[in-house]
Amino acid sequence: RKEVEQDPGPFNVPEGATVAFNCTYSNSASQSFFWYRQDCRKEPKLLMSVYSSGNEDGRFTAQLNRASQYISLLIRDSKLSDSATYLCVVNQRTGRRALTFGSGTRLQVQP
Amino acid sequence: ETGVTQTPRHLVMGMTNKKSLKCEQHLGHNAMYWYKQSAKKPLELMFVYSLEERVENNSVPSRFSPECPNSSHLFLHLHTLQPEDSALYLCASSPHSGSGNTGELFFGEGSRLTVL
Repeated sequence: RKEVEQDPGPFNVPEGATVAFNCTYSNSASQSFFWYRQDCRKEPKLLMSVYSSGNEDGRFTAQLNRASQYISLLIRDSKLSDSATYLCVVNQRTGRRALTFGSGTRLQVQP
Repeated sequence: ETGVTQTPRHLVMGMTNKKSLKCEQHLGHNAMYWYKQSAKKPLELMFVYSLEERVENNSVPSRFSPECPNSSHLFLHLHTLQPEDSALYLCASSPHSGSGNTGELFFGEGSRLTVL
């Protein structure tokens, strides 16, 4: 089983749509969680952290379900500029010194 | 403008060549990383350097050799690579590693390597 698993997509949605991505992780001892965004042929950049109580940043909402070991990202009112690959990232901390990345989910927002 | 710069941005090399990738961070961070990104695969951590000491090596082949002369510079020396080593090599830095890692990595734009 992969440590961090995501549906690769692509998700093709029209502008203005709401889209949600899920991610599952295998290590129940994982401590912290993040969503990164990677534009085509660019480097990954932190989009937002994911907190246990859920958190929102503008049109983006992140949620964590520790019991089921999954993380979600909801994007409302999609914009063309949201087209990118969204990477689910987990910090396992114990025994690991760096972040573990999922393969990413590709989003294409269409006019 | 990224605080982490990588050179070269593109590199084509034969299997018998020796080359090096360079990374420099201007953020005052204490940890630097090399990641490998291949098509349709997750980023793979290769090396972590924290306070100039290598703290993790995920069973990377010896044909990849890291060097961290100080907290701002990181190199990846390459020799006798294989075609399957063709990938995007990303350097990153963070304020801390391990339990102090807040989760924000600052990546360079990457060095795209093609091995013929």
